[in-house]
Amino acid sequence: DAKTTQPTSMDCAEGRAANLPCNHSTISGNEYVYWYRQIHSQGPQYIIHGLKNNETNEMASLIITEDRKSSTLILPHATLRDTAVYYCIVRVAGGSQGNLIFGKGTKLSVKP
Amino acid sequence: GAVVSQHPSWVICKSGTSVKIECRSLDFQATTMFWYRQFPKQSLMLMATSNEGSKATYEQGVEKDKFLINHASLTLSTLTVTSAHPEDSSFYICSTFPASGSYTQYFGPGTRLTVL
Repeated sequence: DAKTTQPTSMDCAEGRAANLPCNHSTISGNEYVYWYRQIHSQGPQYIIHGLKNNETNEMASLIITEDRKSSTLILPHATLRDTAVYYCIVRVAGGSQGNLIFGKGTKLSVKP
Repeated sequence: GAVVSQHPSWVICKSGTSVKIECRSLDFQATTMFWYRQFPKQSLMLMATSNEGSKATYEQGVEKDKFLINHASLTLSTLTVTSAHPEDSSFYICSTFPASGSYTQYFGPGTRLTVL
């Protein structure tokens, strides 16, 4: 699976939008972009995923560039409970299911 | 999203004893379950993949005789850490995806193992 590059850490003010970038310049045509987050001492939580179109759900929005080499996860109104490590992962859906390769992610700190 | 549970949420044991961790998919059938390990301040590392009714597949460097995996039903997989040692202390997390429809993986809440 392609590798991703994320900033090590980011800060965001409570109530503001948090924009978390991810670079995946070697992504293949059949690979999806998945976002998970891990709050301290908990299992990872699925947030959203997409192939090439922008996606939105109750948690976040995912913006994927037209060339698919990068994406941005947007938390529209960050709260203190959104403080977590956010992982951007690319993988083939329906392919080798076990290969969710976790990088170091971005540690997002939401501050009052 | 789909619900995956783990039991126990934390366990403390003496060196040399064995510990069993259960992973259950609560609202769907799961033919495949994955076991991850996470050491402090590190990311998740895949240990093994278990398939219902067959032997588990272990990642390189993971001892299959030490980490016994059983996937006897479509909703339950167990990981047994045999003859645990302090270096096995870690956060163990299982994950799976519904056998039909979405390929999205969902994770359990994790089990904190401390070996004294």
